[in-house]
Amino acid sequence: GQQLNQSPQSMFIQEGEDVSMNCTSSSIFNTWLWYKQDPGEGPVLLIALYKAGELTSNGRLTAQFGITRKDSFLNISASIPSDVGIYFCAGQGGGADGLTFGKGTHLIIQP
Amino acid sequence: EPEVTQTPSHQVTQMGQEVILRCVPISNHLYFYWYRQILGQKVEFLVSFYNNEISEKSEIFDDQFSVERPDGSNFTLKIRSTKLEDSAMYFCASSVSGRWSGNTIYFGEGSWLTVV
Repeated sequence: GQQLNQSPQSMFIQEGEDVSMNCTSSSIFNTWLWYKQDPGEGPVLLIALYKAGELTSNGRLTAQFGITRKDSFLNISASIPSDVGIYFCAGQGGGADGLTFGKGTHLIIQP
Repeated sequence: EPEVTQTPSHQVTQMGQEVILRCVPISNHLYFYWYRQILGQKVEFLVSFYNNEISEKSEIFDDQFSVERPDGSNFTLKIRSTKLEDSAMYFCASSVSGRWSGNTIYFGEGSWLTVV
């Protein structure tokens, strides 16, 4: 099946720093979605990307759909304490309904 | 903002018992999904449902699992005879469009199932 490699696994940063994380795959995806998950809760959609090369922002978040359709990155600028959580990339492609999720990037912000 | 709602939020059941997890998808959505997440692991696709039938299912979705849309608003996941390894968070999700149409999938808060 399709696999997504998400990195880094975890990040320890200072409040106010910028954050960057990415996902790569050997498979082509038609849609890339980025979610944030807080402990014990469901994934909350942050950004959806539908076209290769697309760059989309949502407040302090920016994500891009790679031109090869095999990768995506998410940047968070000027991190704040409420950004703490696990960030997942998810791709949909190959004629499949189901999303393939990355293993997540655990973001920890030190005051 | 419309939400996917799930009940129960947490259920403890004995091995071998049947469990039904319930979901109310977002009202104008047509595609419904179940995913699961074993503690500390990534979210995994189980099944998709459209037009009152299963559209796609993963290898995880074996014969002990079934889904149903019993009325116009609910979408259920039944686990017929639970095993210890079924312990996980189960997420319901829904979307307006399907695989070919720039899909955006929204998740519920999850139902945490513990099998003892």
